[in-house]
Amino acid sequence: DVKVTQSSRYLVKRTGEKVFLECVQDMDHENMFWYRQDPGLGLRLIYFSYDVKMKEKGDIPEGYSVSREKKERFSLILESASTNQTSMYLCASIPGGTDTQYFGPGTRLTVL
Amino acid sequence: QKEVEQDPGPLSVPEGAIVSLNCTYSNSAFQYFMWYRQYSRKGPELLMYTYSSGNKEDGRFTAQVDKSSKYISLFIRDSQPSDSATYLCAMKGNTGNQFYFGTGTSLTVIP
Repeated sequence: DVKVTQSSRYLVKRTGEKVFLECVQDMDHENMFWYRQDPGLGLRLIYFSYDVKMKEKGDIPEGYSVSREKKERFSLILESASTNQTSMYLCASIPGGTDTQYFGPGTRLTVL
Repeated sequence: QKEVEQDPGPLSVPEGAIVSLNCTYSNSAFQYFMWYRQYSRKGPELLMYTYSSGNKEDGRFTAQVDKSSKYISLFIRDSQPSDSATYLCAMKGNTGNQFYFGTGTSLTVIP
């Protein structure tokens, strides 16, 4: 059974803090994604990675960076958190050669 | 105009009803079409996956794609309270790894 885990289910941070969200998958998947999900806006792609140390910007990369030092782990970094980054953050991974995304449970981040 | 449009609902139906969920899209390059189910406070899970036009059936669920109209549907037969969730459509083209999601339709099946 594929498992995608995210480091926290709920997180509360203050404006200006540096925030790390971690995602780990246990199935040796090449592709990993970070989305944010907001009411009325759906899922929007922040960044994705198709291999270790490789990354590509999605639709809304501003204010975020990512790190993929190991194949199983994809981190999302908010360099200086702002209130408009309050959202649900979802990580997903895909095995090579397929389009089946496996999602983690999400991290609900609140920035005060 | 958004790439993918989906009526957010909410949709409320009695148990046993047939449910129809729909999405429209604007990009004719989309070839792969997916439906995800997302329970409250959980991540989405893949429900149906279809390529190009046509129908696909899996138990009580049927996915339809009409590429000429740029319209996809998910039908749920004999709906159950356990089907209560948000349903997201998603799609992508032949190249690249970017998926485009609808905003989701919230469904409640009343016992």
